[in-house]
Amino acid sequence: EVLLVESGGGLVQPGGSLTLCCVASGFSLDSYEMNWARQGPGKRLEWVAYSSTSGSTTYYADSVKGRFTISRDNAKNSLYLQMSSLRVEDTAVYYCARDFRAYVYDIWGQGALVNVSA
Amino acid sequence: QSALTQPASVSGSPGQSITISCTGSSSDIGGYDYVSWYQQPPGKAPKLIIYDVSNRPSGISSRFSGSKSDNTASLTISGLQAEDEGHYFCSTYTTSVVFGGGTKVTVL
Repeated sequence: EVLLVESGGGLVQPGGSLTLCCVASGFSLDSYEMNWARQGPGKRLEWVAYSSTSGSTTYYADSVKGRFTISRDNAKNSLYLQMSSLRVEDTAVYYCARDFRAYVYDIWGQGALVNVSA
Repeated sequence: QSALTQPASVSGSPGQSITISCTGSSSDIGGYDYVSWYQQPPGKAPKLIIYDVSNRPSGISSRFSGSKSDNTASLTISGLQAEDEGHYFCSTYTTSVVFGGGTKVTVL
């Protein structure tokens, strides 16, 4: 079965850091471009970051640029999102999602909750 | 890029057909055939069910169909079943991807 499973969410204070991990199973991560998206409470889904298959090319939403870093370890079939200088407005469920093609995502994880609060 | 507008909720009885709308602008939905639809059952991960307005990925039931007219895309679920309950959201893209607010589907 093709699956994505996120981990690493939790409660963090404003200004703090957190790293999310997304482990893929049922397919080889190195064959797919990958993304992170998030949905805050009462908000619509928002795309956050993109990684090419090798990880050499990355893109970020303006709202997280300079604070978040997407990376991958294809040998471990894992995708990461390093988040720093976290803000209250970063509170959301974070999903990793596989590219079906550009801007279309066919496989999603169940999400990891990040709560930024004092 | 403008936000995409969806109704908050739609309901129907088993066997009926329901339609969910997704309204954008002439700059996104109206200008390109780049509309996708996702299904998210309660407590589960989202799943792609329609891409490029009306195409279904492999394994998706033919009960799901998509269309577009002017600046509004639509998702129709035919032969509504209990397992169709959940949230549905649309997306499109030009310079970046944007999602609709989501529609909760209830099977009465």
